[in-house]
Amino acid sequence: GQNIDQPTEMTATEGAIVQINCTYQTSGFNGLFWYQQHAGEAPTFLSYNVLDGLEEKGRFSSFLSRSKGYSYLLLKELQMKDSASYLCADMDSNYQLIWGAGTKLIIKP
Amino acid sequence: DTAVSQTPKYLVTQMGNDKSIKCEQNLGHDTMYWYKQDSKKFLKIMFSYNNKELIINETVPNRFSPKSPDKAHLNLHINSLELGDSAVYFCASSQDVEGGANVLTFGAGSRLTVL
Repeated sequence: GQNIDQPTEMTATEGAIVQINCTYQTSGFNGLFWYQQHAGEAPTFLSYNVLDGLEEKGRFSSFLSRSKGYSYLLLKELQMKDSASYLCADMDSNYQLIWGAGTKLIIKP
Repeated sequence: DTAVSQTPKYLVTQMGNDKSIKCEQNLGHDTMYWYKQDSKKFLKIMFSYNNKELIINETVPNRFSPKSPDKAHLNLHINSLELGDSAVYFCASSQDVEGGANVLTFGAGSRLTVL
């Protein structure tokens, strides 16, 4: 089967760190993507992981554990503009993206 | 210059009408997609074309018909619109379909409201 689970909503404070988790169960695996989507806008690409481990890109990092079917997106030094939905997507054996419903991140001052 | 542009941005129409959404990308990508995002924010793939050839055709009603005149354009035509068609439709493109080449660049979205 194909299933992506991520929390519906999270709240964090400006300047803090937040970790958004994603678990997946997919037939075959060809990589895990994270996208950011501000309200009323299009999703934009954040990261792609295909090997286990942590990939750091400025304030954002993404982690993958293929054996656990688990990924997380880590956001540091949170800014108000980071308030958005964060979408986890898994690429299956047919190179088709399976999307989670997204995690709405609310940043409070 | 906008990388993936789709028109119109907003579309309000009556049930039973036919409408089209156009999409163009100037990134030189080989693959284009149509996604539907409903009120619950799930992104669902509808169609995917690679070099003008249909490669993904999910279970969507045949009232939806994509057309790709060339690899830079992928239009979506919808016949006999129904209330449940109300959603935001996103066009996207990627360099290719495999691995890291499958990074999607999305258009701004077309919000369709069927009354």
